[in-house]
Amino acid sequence: AQSVTQLDSHVSVSEGTPVLLRCNYSSSYSPSLFWYVQHPNKGLQLLLKYTSAATLVKGINGFEAEFKKSETSFHLTKPSAHMSDAAEYFCVVSDSSGTYKYIFGTGTRLKVLA
Amino acid sequence: EPEVTQTPSHQVTQMGQEVILRCVPISNHLYFYWYRQILGQKVEFLVSFYNNEISEKSEIFDDQFSVERPDGSNFTLKIRSTKLEDSAMYFCASSLQGLNQPQHFGDGTRLSIL
Repeated sequence: AQSVTQLDSHVSVSEGTPVLLRCNYSSSYSPSLFWYVQHPNKGLQLLLKYTSAATLVKGINGFEAEFKKSETSFHLTKPSAHMSDAAEYFCVVSDSSGTYKYIFGTGTRLKVLA
Repeated sequence: EPEVTQTPSHQVTQMGQEVILRCVPISNHLYFYWYRQILGQKVEFLVSFYNNEISEKSEIFDDQFSVERPDGSNFTLKIRSTKLEDSAMYFCASSLQGLNQPQHFGDGTRLSIL
């Protein structure tokens, strides 16, 4: 069975400092992995996706993530946080065995301090 | 950019009443999904729909739930007799294909059961 673990429920960073949001996955198949962001009262917006091509994936708004099979990790990073990055971030694995349903992590709430 | 749209944004219903949540997926997409997020909990898969039939449903999706694509553009989720525990944010999503394709989410419908 596939699963996703987001290691931090809350992360606080100062504006202009790096962001690291951690995600570990478990999958019996070659996984498709995604990061989504949810701003208050809004839907889920795709930040980036990994689908077995390059292991370093670049996304929108300066975010990137590195797929590390040996560590079963897919951590999200950004070199310099902006106030507008404050939101909830979800790591997601897609069930590639059948219907491609998403399995979500519990989310990490990112707070950016001025 | 094409969007998934959901209506209404907020629905308040008395317990035991029927409710229909509506979604218009992106027009050329073939896979459709409903997820829900109970306040403070993670996003959970409810059901996937492809080729005019349910392809997978979760344990949550019991006989009280049904989905329909009545006219080739709308995708609806019906809850026949609502319970207090159905209160949640419901997200509709669609994707062009299954494997390796990201799902696009609507902004959600907040369902409040009184």
